[in-house]
Amino acid sequence: SQQGEEDPQALSIQEGENATMNCSYKTSINNLQWYRQNSGRGLVHLILIRSNEREKHSGRLRVTLDTSKKSSSLLITASRAADTASYFCATVPYNNNDMRFGAGTRLTVKP
Amino acid sequence: DTGVSQDPRHKITKRGQNVTFRCDPISEHNRLYWYRQTLGQGPEFLTYFQNEAQLEKSRLLSDRFSAERPKGSFSTLEIQRTEQGDSAMYLCASSLESQGTYGYTFGSGTRLTVV
Repeated sequence: SQQGEEDPQALSIQEGENATMNCSYKTSINNLQWYRQNSGRGLVHLILIRSNEREKHSGRLRVTLDTSKKSSSLLITASRAADTASYFCATVPYNNNDMRFGAGTRLTVKP
Repeated sequence: DTGVSQDPRHKITKRGQNVTFRCDPISEHNRLYWYRQTLGQGPEFLTYFQNEAQLEKSRLLSDRFSAERPKGSFSTLEIQRTEQGDSAMYLCASSLESQGTYGYTFGSGTRLTVV
């Protein structure tokens, strides 16, 4: 079963704009991770945020985590056409060691 | 080390046939995971190994599915008596640390089409 749900399901923006994707989950977590997947390819790990962290940055990526609301957001600043991909949040629960994914947000960045 | 390798990249099989996929993880990673992904959906967890021990199996892994990691290195996923509903991308991932402290490294996947 899938753990997280991303919102929106699809997002289309112009190059240079910021893209924000949200993720909600159901159970207590050890950490939450964001992955990117280009069409028909494997997933690429972007960033991991632990349950005791509230915000994390990596290059043009900014991730926030609100454990009280069981939600996270991924912000991509100054988007590029190459950012076009599907983005998934994934959670690692405290009681399990496997990672569960949401259905993803499909981001299209128009040049 | 070139990352996680999966073989084959594509497999077309007739319904009722058996298929086997192989995954070679990053050599120093002790954990190996199998996921299944259908079009427009996120990956669904199937099973994972720590070294050679299979520690968890999803309810999605019916009796027709079996996974092995005999020496704690590469892994195989076999599907017996394939059905059209088995058509999907099968993804393998590996990691070094338990609890997902570090991100998983995924292979490019094996796309299975059952006709």
